[in-house]
Amino acid sequence: AQSVSQHNHHVILSEAASLELGCNYSYGGTVNLFWYVQYPGQHLQLLLKYFSGDPLVKGIKGFEAEFIKSKFSFNLRKPSVQWSDTAEYFCAVSHIGAGNMLTFGGGTRLMVKP
Amino acid sequence: KAGVTQTPRYLIKTRGQQVTLSCSPISGHRSVSWYQQTPGQGLQFLFEYFSETQRNKGNFPGRFSGRQFSNSRSEMNVSTLELGDSALYLCASSLVIAGEETQYFGPGTRLLVL
Repeated sequence: AQSVSQHNHHVILSEAASLELGCNYSYGGTVNLFWYVQYPGQHLQLLLKYFSGDPLVKGIKGFEAEFIKSKFSFNLRKPSVQWSDTAEYFCAVSHIGAGNMLTFGGGTRLMVKP
Repeated sequence: KAGVTQTPRYLIKTRGQQVTLSCSPISGHRSVSWYQQTPGQGLQFLFEYFSETQRNKGNFPGRFSGRQFSNSRSEMNVSTLELGDSALYLCASSLVIAGEETQYFGPGTRLLVL
């Protein structure tokens, strides 16, 4: 069965620090990749997505992610975080043959200190 | 365009009871998926409906069921509730555009089983 790993469960950063959250998946075939964010008290929102093409994708709020197929990774980055980025971040993967089913990582709680 | 809506937002039930949750997708979206979110297991896929047919099913017992209506609205039902069914139940709707399908999530229904 497919699995998604987010190795950092909790991350604490100061404002203006750079962010990189790791995401690795286990499926060997063609995948679609997503990062979702859940701000405190809010619902899951799409940050960015990758289906094909340029492996470096840009999302909302200055986030970007790079798909490295050889490493089965889709790490999320932001050059300078803000206090408002405090949230939980989820990596998710779907693949052909599994319909629209998303397999989620365990999530990373990010706290940004002002 | 209005987002995915879910009703009720909060629900308290006792063991053995059954519950029905409702989801209205974004207008024009024909696929509806359901997920369970708990602190221990994270986000797990329950099932997906498309054009009133279940297209995919996760690894949950038969107590969990769902259906979709002709207007794409969906309901999920949990019978014989157990304490472990306490969770946030998320609904997501999606639309295929140029071969790409992205899920957009609702705010969820928080179910507490006593």
